[in-house]
Amino acid sequence: GAGVSQSPSNKVTEKGKDVELRCDPISGHTALYWYRQSLGQGLEFLIYFQGNSAPDKSGLPSDRFSAERTGGSVSTLTIQRTQQEDSAVYLCASSLVGRVRTEAFFGQGTRLTVV
Amino acid sequence: AQSVTQPDIHITVSEGASLELRCNYSYGATPYLFWYVQSPGQGLQLLLKYFSGDTLVQGIKGFEAEFKRSQSSFNLRKPSVHWSDAAEYFCAVGGSSNTGKLIFGQGTTLQVKP
Repeated sequence: GAGVSQSPSNKVTEKGKDVELRCDPISGHTALYWYRQSLGQGLEFLIYFQGNSAPDKSGLPSDRFSAERTGGSVSTLTIQRTQQEDSAVYLCASSLVGRVRTEAFFGQGTRLTVV
Repeated sequence: AQSVTQPDIHITVSEGASLELRCNYSYGATPYLFWYVQSPGQGLQLLLKYFSGDTLVQGIKGFEAEFKRSQSSFNLRKPSVHWSDAAEYFCAVGGSSNTGKLIFGQGTTLQVKP
């Protein structure tokens, strides 16, 4: 597709379960970002990929959170043993290269609800 | 550490009225500044950005923003608001020139009255 695609669009999971969120960036974009949008918290940076490596994972809130990127394309954000405070919208963005002057394009997000 | 503050969580304006959304940043060097808009159920769309040069920048949809270094501000303005401008607006600062990571404010929700 032409834009950043995220799946699923909505996910409801039980506390303690693991979840995987997927991001398909724009073709050819080498940089990929994950952000979390919580109610009243704005958007928080989680992790940045350049190609398949993650030079900045400083925003991952705990070791229950991990992410990988394969083939320089698709990325998966995994949350293990989900907690209610993990409920949020998870946004993925990609850009041609990982430079601040290069526009990042955002997907529509995955809304995660932990019950 | 870099940070962005949007003092107004929620703003209501009448259609046709002017709009100003406030943004203050904290950044050690010359900042890279952005405004994004998020319409209901949509991803974020870039409205405008400031890197250097002219401190008044024009964006899409009739928006503009002015960078004021002395006030550490980058306020977003529009002379006449349309009902379709109702959305959430985010100010952001580039957290690193080498990665493209963004530091966002908490957002301002704009409601437009008919």
